[in-house]
Amino acid sequence: AQTVTQSQPEMSVQEAETVTLSCTYDTSESDYYLFWYKQPPSRQMILVIRQEAYKQQNATENRFSVNFQKAAKSFSLKISDSQLGDAAMYFCARGRTRPLGTYKYIFGTGTRLKVLA
Amino acid sequence: DTAVSQTPKYLVTQMGNDKSIKCEQNLGHDTMYWYKQDSKKFLKIMFSYNNKELIINETVPNRFSPKSPDKAHLNLHINSLELGDSAVYFCASRHTSGHEQYFGPGTRLTVT
Repeated sequence: AQTVTQSQPEMSVQEAETVTLSCTYDTSESDYYLFWYKQPPSRQMILVIRQEAYKQQNATENRFSVNFQKAAKSFSLKISDSQLGDAAMYFCARGRTRPLGTYKYIFGTGTRLKVLA
Repeated sequence: DTAVSQTPKYLVTQMGNDKSIKCEQNLGHDTMYWYKQDSKKFLKIMFSYNNKELIINETVPNRFSPKSPDKAHLNLHINSLELGDSAVYFCASRHTSGHEQYFGPGTRLTVT
């Protein structure tokens, strides 16, 4: 099955601390894309960071970085210097490219992040 | 400017009714999607259109019918609404050459 697994339904972090959200996936494809989306209470889906599977270098966007382990099919998100505004649901997603011409996202079940003041 | 917009944002209706949700994107993308987010926050693809052609149709009841009048619009019509249809419906778009999808604000549908 082509699945994306987020094993942490909920996480808490103290303001200004660092937290890591885990994500693993299953795929038989060699070329694919991975994403982390943030969904605050407003329910808007906001792209946080993306990673191309063919790139070995881990993606970074300001306080957000990923640890991409292709062999282990692991794609964790690290949030540094956590802020109150980071509190949200975080979804890991894999862009599925097969069958050709039917690109879609496979989402994980989400991790609710709470930031404590 | 809003990139992907949906109307309405909230929809409350009774069982058995027929309703539509509209989606428009001004990003110049040629592929659009409908996703459903259930009460447990799980997101799942429903449909996808590329240049007005249906390319993805997941196992969705026939009561759901998407329509794409042009590349910038994708509407979702739902017949004979059921309690289980209550969810948040997201529209998304992307360019064929890209891999990121851009989401609309979602439509919360409540069936009573």
